[in-house]
Amino acid sequence: NAGVMQNPRHLVRRRGQEARLRCSPMKGHSHVYWYRQLPEEGLKFMVYLQKENIIDESGMPKERFSAEFPKEGPSILRIQQVVRGDSAAYFCASSPTGQYSNQPQHFGDGTRLSIL
Amino acid sequence: GENVEQHPSTLSVQEGDSAVIKCTYSDSASNYFPWYKQELGKRPQLIIDIRSNVGEKKDQRIAVTLNKTAKHFSLHITETQPEDSAVYFCAASSPPNTPLVFGKGTRLSVIA
Repeated sequence: NAGVMQNPRHLVRRRGQEARLRCSPMKGHSHVYWYRQLPEEGLKFMVYLQKENIIDESGMPKERFSAEFPKEGPSILRIQQVVRGDSAAYFCASSPTGQYSNQPQHFGDGTRLSIL
Repeated sequence: GENVEQHPSTLSVQEGDSAVIKCTYSDSASNYFPWYKQELGKRPQLIIDIRSNVGEKKDQRIAVTLNKTAKHFSLHITETQPEDSAVYFCAASSPPNTPLVFGKGTRLSVIA
């Protein structure tokens, strides 16, 4: 059973360009979470999605950032017109459905985004 | 919203000694508390978790305790080894399938 797959592992963009980060959850997992980690800091929640639905986007900046989890294919985190402050590691996590209790979230290897 | 505080931010122990990391949370509705280990440049790895209907859970050299009244939980690592050196994060969430709120991490160094 493959783990959470993220690509690319490293992404370099110039200011003003777009960044697209992809995440394929573990097989059987229907919940996807995106977190951002700055150097020497903890993980900050950005957005929580299920197939074709955004459940909670309270941690995502209102402008330039968007996320989707289509019926087919990976979840995508999209950052438009990137700025230097977007440089960070972006981690995706997935979990199975837990109707009455939380299920463990398993993380991918992350995408390290560098803005020149 | 939930706020998780984690202490200490750095911890150095001699190989074979025990290490304890403590976290407090603010939301009394939180009922799920995982701990993650992150090595440099790697993914956070779930090492143990505890739910609020349990006061203590143990897995070999790792144990977690939870005090719901005081709203704090702790990670205990016994007989530490150099490979335990990493950053450890605590987290909290409330049901169901809600995002995790993380502490800022503890950098553990085990000195051989």
